[in-house]
Amino acid sequence: DAGITQSPRYKITETGRQVTLMCHQTWSHSYMFWYRQDLGHGLRLIYYSAAADITDKGEVPDGYVVSRSKTENFPLTLESATRSQTSVYFCASSQTWARTEAFFGQGTRLTVV
Amino acid sequence: EDKVVQSPLSLVVHEGDTVTLNCSYEVTNFRSLLWYKQEKKAPTFLFMLTSSGIEKKSGRLSSILDKKELSSILNITATQTGDSAIYLCAVFGEYGNKLVFGAGTILRVKS
Repeated sequence: DAGITQSPRYKITETGRQVTLMCHQTWSHSYMFWYRQDLGHGLRLIYYSAAADITDKGEVPDGYVVSRSKTENFPLTLESATRSQTSVYFCASSQTWARTEAFFGQGTRLTVV
Repeated sequence: EDKVVQSPLSLVVHEGDTVTLNCSYEVTNFRSLLWYKQEKKAPTFLFMLTSSGIEKKSGRLSSILDKKELSSILNITATQTGDSAIYLCAVFGEYGNKLVFGAGTILRVKS
């Protein structure tokens, strides 16, 4: 299916475990973004990427790692999950340089216990 | 550091009212401002405003960009219960690579 998909949709993990959230888009968009959404904070940017092998930190990158070996995939890894990382995570992609909107995946609800 | 601030944080109105949501920004190398609506899932796109297109309208929704004041407003006229959602403002800054969001305005429309 065309679009941007995230997996898993829901995840429960234990403190200290490594967990990877997947994001895949079929449009060959250059730009991809990871956000977390918590009540009262809107969407906070974790990492973004302008192209394959180019990634940059956003507002809240600590505790997260990303990679972008292929244009269509942008996985987000929590190296050692903490309770404060319990959140809803959204991946987004955008085609061109600030001239088109960003499209969002359905979100992943992550709970760290 | 790039910053997007929305106000009010939340708002309750009655059906038929007109509402105005505010967004102000401080970003490096502003490129465009976007408005999104979020119900119980992923945000959906409403408008994009750039230096060359400072006003947009779609049905009961309209938005204006004030480049001098570094701000934007989103107007919703004749509100309906289906307008109840979180409205998010975002700005592309830093040469267009970085999309930064505000905290959002929670709008509740009562019947």
